Amino acid sequence: AQTVTQSQPEMSVQEAETVTLSCTYDTSESNYYLFWYKQPPSRQMILVIRQEAYKQQNATENRFSVNFQKAAKSFSLKISDSQLGDTAMYFCAFSLDSNYQLIWGAGTKLIIKP
Amino acid sequence: GAGVSQSPRYKVAKRGQDVALRCDPISGHVSLFWYQQALGQGPEFLTYFQNEAQLDKSGLPSDRFFAERPEGSVSTLKIQRTQQEDSAVYLCASSLMRATNTEAFFGQGTRLTVV
Repeated sequence: AQTVTQSQPEMSVQEAETVTLSCTYDTSESNYYLFWYKQPPSRQMILVIRQEAYKQQNATENRFSVNFQKAAKSFSLKISDSQLGDTAMYFCAFSLDSNYQLIWGAGTKLIIKP
Repeated sequence: GAGVSQSPRYKVAKRGQDVALRCDPISGHVSLFWYQQALGQGPEFLTYFQNEAQLDKSGLPSDRFFAERPEGSVSTLKIQRTQQEDSAVYLCASSLMRATNTEAFFGQGTRLTVV
């Protein structure tokens, strides 16, 4: 069975700083997808970034980038130049290439202070 | 519509009451998922539809939970004889393709409180 672990329940940084959120996962599969989702108080999950396991290059989306370490089964999210609007819950998620469901971590509450 | 729409946004039910939660996916999206998110936790998979076919219902916690998508668009999640442990946010997501390796778009969820 696949599992996703987020070991940081809460993090807090000053606006404009860089912050890294950790995520580890466990699977015996070689092909899979990893995701970071943002959930603001409105509760709507918003996709931040996605990584395909077969791609060695780390995904980037503007201020968001990942450090994907396949051998270590690690998938951390780096947010550069953090903004007040980045305040939210962040969830790491996993899905198998041939499966449908997302498997989620417990989330990290990120607070950006002015 | 422009996004995934869920209704109601909030529902308070007395223990033992039946409830029905509605999800309107993005028009044309083939796949539809239901997740249950308990307070302070990550979502957990409940069930998956491809068009009108329910291909996976392995996450439904008991036979009190039932989901349908009869015409391959709107879906309803029904919970019979609600219990306090059913209190959670129920999230619906839809995607264009079959698997979740394409982007799944989420609704704002229905917060169910059983008293």
